[in-house]
Amino acid sequence: SQKIEQNSEALNIQEGKTATLTCNYTNYSPAYLQWYRQDPGRGPVFLLLIRENEKEKRKERLKVTFDTTLKQSLFHITASQPADSATYLCALDSNYQLIWGAGTKLIIKP
Amino acid sequence: DAGVIQSPRHEVTEMGQEVTLRCKPISGHDYLFWYRQTMMRGLELLIYFNNNVPIDDSGMPEDRFSAKMPNASFSTLKIQPSEPRDSAVYFCASSLEPVIYGYTFGSGTRLTVV
Repeated sequence: SQKIEQNSEALNIQEGKTATLTCNYTNYSPAYLQWYRQDPGRGPVFLLLIRENEKEKRKERLKVTFDTTLKQSLFHITASQPADSATYLCALDSNYQLIWGAGTKLIIKP
Repeated sequence: DAGVIQSPRHEVTEMGQEVTLRCKPISGHDYLFWYRQTMMRGLELLIYFNNNVPIDDSGMPEDRFSAKMPNASFSTLKIQPSEPRDSAVYFCASSLEPVIYGYTFGSGTRLTVV
């Protein structure tokens, strides 16, 4: 069956450092992958979308990579700030349906 | 634009009662999705619409759940009768084109069935 794995444990990063989150998948060949941010009590907020033929995508301090051979996406936040603390979710497409990872809680410490 | 608007924000109801959740998508978005989020199962797609037409309802748990989209600016998700295991946060999301712009989610409705 299709499976998406994200680090289940919280990731603690010192302010100013680069935070790297991992999304691995199996039994699946998505055409694109999306990353979202979710704060407590709020809905997910769309951050970035990357297609299978794109290796890397950037938006301000955010960078996403997509390795279809390794079946992995990495999400980087450079110069991290306490305001970046949230849960980050990856999602893979399947005919307009997104299959979601459980999310990784990121904590940026001042 | 005010974004995707969901109501109510919180709903507490007794088992067996009917519950109706409401959603107003972003104007011009052709796609509307209903999701459910729990700690155990994460985000699960229940149903999605394209141009007000239900396209895939395979995620709807059972016949107790129904969804409608009578026009481009309004959708409802109804649970009748409700059960404690339906307790979750229900999100509505809309999109102009998911494969390009991703989804815009509402703030959700936290449903508690006692």
